[in-house]
Amino acid sequence: AQSVTQLDSQVPVFEEAPVELRCNYSSSVSVYLFWYVQYPNQGLQLLLKYLSGSTLVKSINGFEAEFNKSQTSFHLRKPSVHISDTAEYFCAVSEDAGGTSYGKLTFGQGTILTVHP
Amino acid sequence: DTGVSQDPRHKITKRGQNVTFRCDPISEHNRLYWYRQTLGQGPEFLTYFQNEAQLEKSRLLSDRFSAERPKGSFSTLEIQRTEQGDSAMYLCASSFLWGGPSFDYRGELFFGEGSRLTVL
Repeated sequence: AQSVTQLDSQVPVFEEAPVELRCNYSSSVSVYLFWYVQYPNQGLQLLLKYLSGSTLVKSINGFEAEFNKSQTSFHLRKPSVHISDTAEYFCAVSEDAGGTSYGKLTFGQGTILTVHP
Repeated sequence: DTGVSQDPRHKITKRGQNVTFRCDPISEHNRLYWYRQTLGQGPEFLTYFQNEAQLEKSRLLSDRFSAERPKGSFSTLEIQRTEQGDSAMYLCASSFLWGGPSFDYRGELFFGEGSRLTVL
């Protein structure tokens, strides 16, 4: 069974500052890794994912995450945040075990990112 | 709006009553998932369907819970004899099976806004 730990429940930052949201996971098998974001009053949506290949993955709005297998981490970073990035961010993992596992995600507890002007 | 829709958005009920939630997925998606989220926690997997077949149920899903997807389109989640511990947000998500050479949908779930249950 997998587990995901998000080390910070809340992260306050000022606009244009860099931010890192930390995520560690544990699993006995190969995994896929994801970051989902939930903006106020909206459903969860996929921000970025690591399936295979390059360990650095990027989103269209400037976030990036790096898969570190030795440290079992998948931290999310952005060099300069905007007010509109205020949201709750969830790290998630699924087993690389074929079609039945693709959507069966194990989520972390979430990190609330608040960007102040 | 062609996203995943859930109904009702909020439900307040008394302990012991039955409740039913409905989920309408994105029409071309063949997989549908139910998750539960309690305050301060991330979503937890409950069950999923591929077309009309329920392929897996979590141990979190007690006998009081039943989910159906009768025609492979919308789904219902029924909770019988509700308990206060059932109070949570119930999330529905849908997805493609996985995609193909042009796009890989593995792990990409499209979530609805959820149905919040409060059991008094």
